[in-house]
Amino acid sequence: AQSVTQLDSQVPVFEEAPVELRCNYSSSVSVYLFWYVQYPNQGLQLLLKYLSGSTLVKGINGFEAEFNKSQTSFHLRKPSVHISDTAEYFCAVSPADAGGTSYGKLTFGQGTILTVHP
Amino acid sequence: DSGVTQTPKHLITATGQRVTLRCSPRSGDLSVYWYQQSLDQGLQFLIQYYNGEERAKGNILERFSAQQFPDLHSELNLSSLELGDSALYFCASSVVGLPYNEQFFGPGTRLTVL
Repeated sequence: AQSVTQLDSQVPVFEEAPVELRCNYSSSVSVYLFWYVQYPNQGLQLLLKYLSGSTLVKGINGFEAEFNKSQTSFHLRKPSVHISDTAEYFCAVSPADAGGTSYGKLTFGQGTILTVHP
Repeated sequence: DSGVTQTPKHLITATGQRVTLRCSPRSGDLSVYWYQQSLDQGLQFLIQYYNGEERAKGNILERFSAQQFPDLHSELNLSSLELGDSALYFCASSVVGLPYNEQFFGPGTRLTVL
C-alpha cells in the first residue's frame, strides 16, 4: 500500500517570492509520482510527473519538482509565484508495477492550499 | 477544459435515496476512474474501469456501484445515501489505464445529502 503526506496544509506567500510545497511518500513498491493542481470550483490538472530518469522534473506554469529516493520525497518548487498560482496542490503516487490490484490507482496527499498575496 | 464531462454538476437529495452520476471520458480514452473528495477523507480512489471491465478497486462502499458501458461512458450509482456521502465526486480518464498514463479529471459532481 502507498501513503502520501503533504507536510503543509496551507502556504501563504507574497507575489514574486519563491515557494516550496513539501511531499513525502511511503510505499513498499516502486512508484510513479505526480503533482496536480486544483483551481477553485474546477477539476484537477496535472502539473508534472516523475516516471524515471532525471530526478528534476519540469512541469507547466514554471513549476518543477525533485525526486529524492533516499528521503522518499517529491517537493514542488517555483522560483517566483504569481497571483494566478493561488490554488490547492495535490501530491500523488501510483504503483509502478503493471499488474496487481492497485493498477493505475492514484493515492493522494491531503492537499496544500497555496495563497499568493499581492 | 480536460475533455471529460460529468453530469449533473450539482445534486441535492435526501438520506436513503439513490442517485446516478454520469461521466463521459475524453475521446479515445479507454479507462475511467472515480474519486471521492470530502473534507474529512480528502481525495480517495473509488474504482477504475478499462474498456468495460473493472480494473482496480479502492475503498468503495458496498452501497456504491459503477459500470462502464460499450460507448465507454461510465456511471456511478450511490444508494441508501447517508449524510456522510456528501462530497465532490470526480471522474477521470486516461488512454489505456496504465500507472504512468496521465489522468484527465472532469469538473466533478457535487452531491449534497440532506
